[in-house]
Amino acid sequence: GAGVSQSPSNKVTEKGKDVELRCDPISGHTALYWYRQSLGQGLEFLIYFQGNSAPDKSGLPSDRFSAERTGGSVSTLTIQRTQQEDSAVYLCASSLGQRNTIYFGEGSWLTVV
Amino acid sequence: SQQGEEDPQALSIQEGENATMNCSYKTSINNLQWYRQNSGRGLVHLILIRSNEREKHSGRLRVTLDTSKKSSSLLITASRAADTASYFCATDAGTDKLIFGTGTRLQVFP
Repeated sequence: GAGVSQSPSNKVTEKGKDVELRCDPISGHTALYWYRQSLGQGLEFLIYFQGNSAPDKSGLPSDRFSAERTGGSVSTLTIQRTQQEDSAVYLCASSLGQRNTIYFGEGSWLTVV
Repeated sequence: SQQGEEDPQALSIQEGENATMNCSYKTSINNLQWYRQNSGRGLVHLILIRSNEREKHSGRLRVTLDTSKKSSSLLITASRAADTASYFCATDAGTDKLIFGTGTRLQVFP
């Protein structure tokens, strides 16, 4: 595709519910990243996928967070039993691989009420 | 933890003035990148400088890198109101993943 696509753009959910956020990377990009950004803050690394290698999950804040990448393309970030502190913009990015420019989607704004 | 720290956290200038933002990082890097973010949504890549480069230009942007001091600077010359945004540096910290700094919020007044 032309760029990284994320859905939904905005999601309001009740505390305790599960949410799924989707990312379609740029076609051909082998690397995929998820970041989280709270209001007025910097980007917090969550998880990184590179090709068929085991993902780097070192940034996931708790076991309520998980992500998968099917067929080396689309990725889904799942947050179980959402909490109010999970409210943030979740940004996905992709690149041709390590040491290359990464391209961001517009993000999914999650609000937990 | 953050790899990069930008300085200043916020900067306000008049149109036509130059804006300088600094980034410090902690570990060895392969490259350092600068990104711009409008309105808290997607980031736009501005420039990448590799560890063996000292300076790079792109239009009104000038980036320097000092690996001995583990620091980089982004200079925007002849700023415009449209340059108002948050600017982030990002480093690979010698690994595959990109770690972002805390950002500088730039406000350019007409």
